[in-house]
Amino acid sequence: DGGITQSPKYLFRKEGQNVTLSCEQNLNHDAMYWYRQDPGQGLRLIYYSQIVNDFQKGDIAEGYSVSREKKESFPLTVTSAQKNPTAFYLCATDRENTQYFGPGTRLTVL
Amino acid sequence: AQRVTQPEKLLSVFKGAPVELKCNYSYSGSPELFWYVQYSRQRLQLLLRHISRESIKGFTADLNKGETSFHLKKPFAQEEDSAMYYCALSGPGNQGGKLIFGQGTELSVKP
Repeated sequence: DGGITQSPKYLFRKEGQNVTLSCEQNLNHDAMYWYRQDPGQGLRLIYYSQIVNDFQKGDIAEGYSVSREKKESFPLTVTSAQKNPTAFYLCATDRENTQYFGPGTRLTVL
Repeated sequence: AQRVTQPEKLLSVFKGAPVELKCNYSYSGSPELFWYVQYSRQRLQLLLRHISRESIKGFTADLNKGETSFHLKKPFAQEEDSAMYYCALSGPGNQGGKLIFGQGTELSVKP
């Protein structure tokens, strides 16, 4: 694998804290995505970006924010406004209608 | 509304048995359909897409527009097929590459 890295692998957060999940890619893909994976609910799109300095909300953007200052990087911030942030977060890129996924970050709110 | 439904959370079969993972979709138009797979301790990855009409690891999937289905089939399951399978669709023109995923089906192939 490789090409898409996510860090950290595990993240613990206290209620009321903002945390930022990192996603970096060296595949030179323009489009990047953030999904949330919950048991029994599949993957749900949080935010996506097709080019640098531009991004759009997905289906469950409330309580999350992103930036896309560089092609290689698409960090996701989980804010205190997200009511149920405990989940597995996946970052992906897209090329020719195929998505490539990172290894994921498991976020737990204590 | 655009939606992908995988009615089975868990599908358990014995090695050598046929397997069919069901996927139904709701979309007003001509979507592109995919199956993604996540093996234990591995990343989610593309298994196959309907426009390729190819067999990957013995799996095939036929798009049935009349029944709005894209079921994944394999005639003889192997233990290494045990994984989480997700059906997904994207709209025509890729719409920014957005995918709509189903809830996922866990396939367990027993020896």
